[in-house]
Amino acid sequence: IAGITQAPTSQILAAGRRMTLRCTQDMRHNAMYWYRQDLGLGLRLIHYSNTAGTTGKGEVPDGYSVSRANTDDFPLTLASAVPSQTSVYFCASSGGDGRNEQFFGPGTRLTVL
Amino acid sequence: QKEVEQDPGPLSVPEGAIVSLNCTYSNSAFQYFMWYRQYSRKGPELLMYTYSSGNKEDGRFTAQVDKSSKYISLFIRDSQPSDSATYLCAGGTSYGKLTFGQGTILTVHP
Repeated sequence: IAGITQAPTSQILAAGRRMTLRCTQDMRHNAMYWYRQDLGLGLRLIHYSNTAGTTGKGEVPDGYSVSRANTDDFPLTLASAVPSQTSVYFCASSGGDGRNEQFFGPGTRLTVL
Repeated sequence: QKEVEQDPGPLSVPEGAIVSLNCTYSNSAFQYFMWYRQYSRKGPELLMYTYSSGNKEDGRFTAQVDKSSKYISLFIRDSQPSDSATYLCAGGTSYGKLTFGQGTILTVHP
């Protein structure tokens, strides 16, 4: 089934621990994105990648890093988690090159204690 | 001021009603607009994509964009309980990045 998968579905993490959220798409989309969604704040862009091998910072990048080694995968890493990173994280992708519709994964619910 | 402003509601309507959801935006660089529907504990699902001012219709849904007043709307005709969800508007630039409103919670009661 074509689409975006995210793992884990949910996670409880101790503050200070390192965590990588995984995102994989099978639509051969060039562009991928990571958002966080918080009550009252909507979806905010963390990092993005317009094509494999390139990444860029979004609105709220501090405390997060990404890599894009290939077209399909776009992991998000929290090097040292803090409670303010408790959120729901969504990965999205779009075709790029003028194909702007973004398609979202099911999300990862992360709690940092 | 947020680039995209959206009344969070909640909005409650009876089944069969016409629903109007609205957003305003401030970024003149937005070239296209999207509406997403998000069910509880699920990812956003793309409903409508519009590139210019005017109306776009898809079944019971109509998206309307007025770039002169920086106003976008989503109309839902003959609303159903299954339409109960959070609706997110978004504006996008030529660089491919979207800016979202905070979402409107809609409940359609039988």
